[in-house]
Amino acid sequence: DAGVIQSPRHEVTEMGQEVTLRCKPISGHDYLFWYRQTMMRGLELLIYFNNNVPIDDSGMPEDRFSAKMPNASFSTLKIQPSEPRDSAVYFCASSLGGGPTDEQFFGPGTRLTVL
Amino acid sequence: RKEVEQDPGPFNVPEGATVAFNCTYSNSASQSFFWYRQDCRKEPKLLMSVYSSGNEDGRFTAQLNRASQYISLLIRDSKLSDSATYLCVVNRGGGSYIPTFGRGTSLIVHP
Repeated sequence: DAGVIQSPRHEVTEMGQEVTLRCKPISGHDYLFWYRQTMMRGLELLIYFNNNVPIDDSGMPEDRFSAKMPNASFSTLKIQPSEPRDSAVYFCASSLGGGPTDEQFFGPGTRLTVL
Repeated sequence: RKEVEQDPGPFNVPEGATVAFNCTYSNSASQSFFWYRQDCRKEPKLLMSVYSSGNEDGRFTAQLNRASQYISLLIRDSKLSDSATYLCVVNRGGGSYIPTFGRGTSLIVHP
């Protein structure tokens, strides 16, 4: 079975440009998570969805960040306008449920560099 | 106090050594705990869950101490392939099982 799929794998852009990251969760998983990982802050949860509905976006750093999940097989994380401090690895993860034993399956990540 | 704290290391050990990592958490209502492993420039992957009674998976043993609010991971007979970053994961508690990740402990196993 295919795991979580993310695209692009690498993105280099200039400050002020719009960036869109894409994620396809594992089929049948009800939960989808977006994380950001940096050396300074580690792995931070940005937002998560349950059955395509955003549940908690308190980790989204500011209004420049937005996330959508139009259907069960696709989600996007958009940064507009991008800034150099947004440079990080962005991971998407999915899980079957939100219970105490549910494992999260991560995609390979998108390595974003904002110049 | 951070929600989940880990010693970043690196822990530098020879093959065959036994090494242990601890992780402390601040939310006493936390209910579920995990260790994830992350290889360099890869995504995190579940290593093992941590149960109240402790659990073992081959060379790996995980323990939970609720009174002191920490979990531990013990690796016996270290292999070169164990070199990675080990992330401690604790759910938020209060009915939410959404995890909070520690920043990880780096392990380097050398010949």
